[in-house]
Amino acid sequence: ETGVTQSPTHLIKTRGQQVTLRCSSQSGHNTVSWYQQALGQGPQFIFQYYREEENGRGNFPPRFSGLQFPNYSSELNVNALELDDSALYLCASSLVQGLRETQYFGPGTRLLVL
Amino acid sequence: AQKITQTQPGMFVQEKEAVTLDCTYDTSDPSYGLFWYKQPSSGEMIFLIYQGSYDQQNATEGRYSLNFQKARKSANLVISASQLGDSAMYFCAMREGWTQGGSEKLVFGKGTKLTVNP
Repeated sequence: ETGVTQSPTHLIKTRGQQVTLRCSSQSGHNTVSWYQQALGQGPQFIFQYYREEENGRGNFPPRFSGLQFPNYSSELNVNALELDDSALYLCASSLVQGLRETQYFGPGTRLLVL
Repeated sequence: AQKITQTQPGMFVQEKEAVTLDCTYDTSDPSYGLFWYKQPSSGEMIFLIYQGSYDQQNATEGRYSLNFQKARKSANLVISASQLGDSAMYFCAMREGWTQGGSEKLVFGKGTKLTVNP
């Protein structure tokens, strides 16, 4: 148990729709990162939020956006869904503590775009 | 160029035996961290072990140890006394650099699927 939860666990959408995925971080963790994991691949970094502000972004288009809230929850929003957005979406929370910061992952949301 | 390379798509090991999962990395940053995660079929990434680039000793966590060879840029995971529950995907990941007030992204390899046979 990492103390990181995600909802929903599974989701089916059609191309062009919008989706919001939610994450509840471990209490006290001030950083949340989102990753996309396509089938058979390792996770790919989407973006990170630190103290409610974006703190780094991977190679994902602007239709991927996020929010972090003061209560340790966060959202990943994806607009204009495409078939290639079908993947497992993982959030990870961490507490910056010098050199040994470790990201703890939630169970993920499996998104299928038809 | 790939930052993290895991050359073994799949590995098999007999229960109670030890197994080594390979990981090589590429970075020019002198400060970096290396992580291993386990991902069962349920999908959750479970943190196993961490090695910092300046750590003098190889990291160990219970049955997990990290064979860190800095000059070769390798960070192999050793699992001793394999158990059936160890069957899963294993990912090596790297974080480069540190920043005050924020952390850097993790870059993952493609993973190795470990199967433990009874």
